[in-house]
Amino acid sequence: QQQVKQSPQSLIVQKGGISIINCAYENTAFDYFPWYQQFPGKGPALLIAIRPDVSEKKEGRFTISFNKSAKQFSLHIMDSQPGDSATYFCAASAGETSGSRLTFGEGTQLTVNP
Amino acid sequence: DAGVIQSPRHEVTEMGQEVTLRCKPISGHNSLFWYRQTMMRGLELLIYFNNNVPIDDSGMPEDRFSAKMPNASFSTLKIQPSEPRDSAVYFCASSLQGLSGNTIYFGEGSWLTVV
Repeated sequence: QQQVKQSPQSLIVQKGGISIINCAYENTAFDYFPWYQQFPGKGPALLIAIRPDVSEKKEGRFTISFNKSAKQFSLHIMDSQPGDSATYFCAASAGETSGSRLTFGEGTQLTVNP
Repeated sequence: DAGVIQSPRHEVTEMGQEVTLRCKPISGHNSLFWYRQTMMRGLELLIYFNNNVPIDDSGMPEDRFSAKMPNASFSTLKIQPSEPRDSAVYFCASSLQGLSGNTIYFGEGSWLTVV
């Protein structure tokens, strides 16, 4: 069964701190790893994504680190802001011909205190 | 630019009633997904369509759930009869298969409460 395990379930960080969320997967066929951000009352929205041919991808304050041998990837939010408070989901999919089907992690509720 | 449009946004119904959720995907997208979100189970894929054809419905909980996509711009998810345990947020999402990655765009969800 395809699974993506995510931790921690919740995270509280002070403004300006670094938020780190971790995910692990089992299916070696996964080749696309996005992170989605969800605000209350809204649908998830793509934040940043990575493919396994690189070990790191950075977009502004958001960075994905990818460890193919360990089958793990993580999201780092630098200089965390109260506006980053949301639920974050890691996900994975296998193959561009799979219909973009994503398997999601359990989610991490991030709270950034001012 | 219009994203994925879902209706109704909120629905409260009595146990045993039929519920129909509707979705209009982003124009030009050829893959459509129905997800269910609950506190206990997170985001679960119920069914997905590719070019209007159901590809995988293994996530549909039971026969009470059915989904259709009669054309490229419309899909429905029906629950008949509804039960309290069906209370959840149901998301429709769409994507365009391609070389750039599998970005899925979600609607804002239909919040279903079955009492």
